[in-house]
Amino acid sequence: SQTIHQWPATLVQPVGSPLSLECTVEGTSNPNLYWYRQAAGRGLQLLFYSVGIGQISSEVPQNLSASRPQDRQFILSSKKLLLSDSGFYLCAWSAMGLARNEQFFGPGTRLTVL
Amino acid sequence: AQSVTQLGSHVSVSEGALVLLRCNYSSSVPPYLFWYVQYPNQGLQLLLKYTTGATLVKGINGFEAEFKKSETSFHLTKPSAHMSDAAEYFCAVTPMEYGNKLVFGAGTILRVKS
Repeated sequence: SQTIHQWPATLVQPVGSPLSLECTVEGTSNPNLYWYRQAAGRGLQLLFYSVGIGQISSEVPQNLSASRPQDRQFILSSKKLLLSDSGFYLCAWSAMGLARNEQFFGPGTRLTVL
Repeated sequence: AQSVTQLGSHVSVSEGALVLLRCNYSSSVPPYLFWYVQYPNQGLQLLLKYTTGATLVKGINGFEAEFKKSETSFHLTKPSAHMSDAAEYFCAVTPMEYGNKLVFGAGTILRVKS
C-alpha cells in the first residue's frame, strides 16, 4: 500500500532563517506531488505541484520554492523565512496519468515563524 | 474561474442529530467532486468522491453526498452525528480543465454537542 511521510512534524524558526521541509511517498511510482499551505481559517492553498523529476509548477508568487530531486521526494524550501510563512504545510500525491483523481495527503508540518 | 463555496464556516449539531454540510461549486463542465475530513493537526482523509454514474455516493464513517447538477451542489450528510465526527470538512472539485489540481472550499468546522 502507498504511504506518504512528512518531516519534521513541527518546526519553530526565526524570521530570516532558511527552511527545508521534506515529503516522501512509498509504494507507488511516478506520482504527481503537491505542496499546500493551510493558514488558520483560510482553507488550503496550492503552492506547487510536480508531474515528474525536476518539473515544478508554482501556483502563487511567494517566498518559497520547491524541488523534486527524486521520483518520490518533494522538498519545500525558503532562503529567508517571513512571519507570513507560518502555517500548516501539507504534501499530497495522486496517481500519474489519471486526470482528476483523488489526492492523498501526508500528516503535515506545523511551521511557526517567530 | 472555478470556485467552491461551503456555506457555514462552523456548524454545530447535537449527538444523534442529522449532519448537513453544504457545498456548491462553479464549473463550466461536469467536475469530479470530493469531500475530505481533517482532524486537528492531521492531514486530510478522503471521505467520498463523485466521478460519474450514480449521483448518491456513500463514503466512510456513515457519510454520504448527492451530486445535483441542476443545483451545482454536493452536500454532505450523515443521519446521526457521533462525537467522533467533530472535525473540519473540506469540499473539493477537480474540473476537467484543471487536470490533476484540486480546488478546495474554505472548510466547515463541525462541532458535535453531547
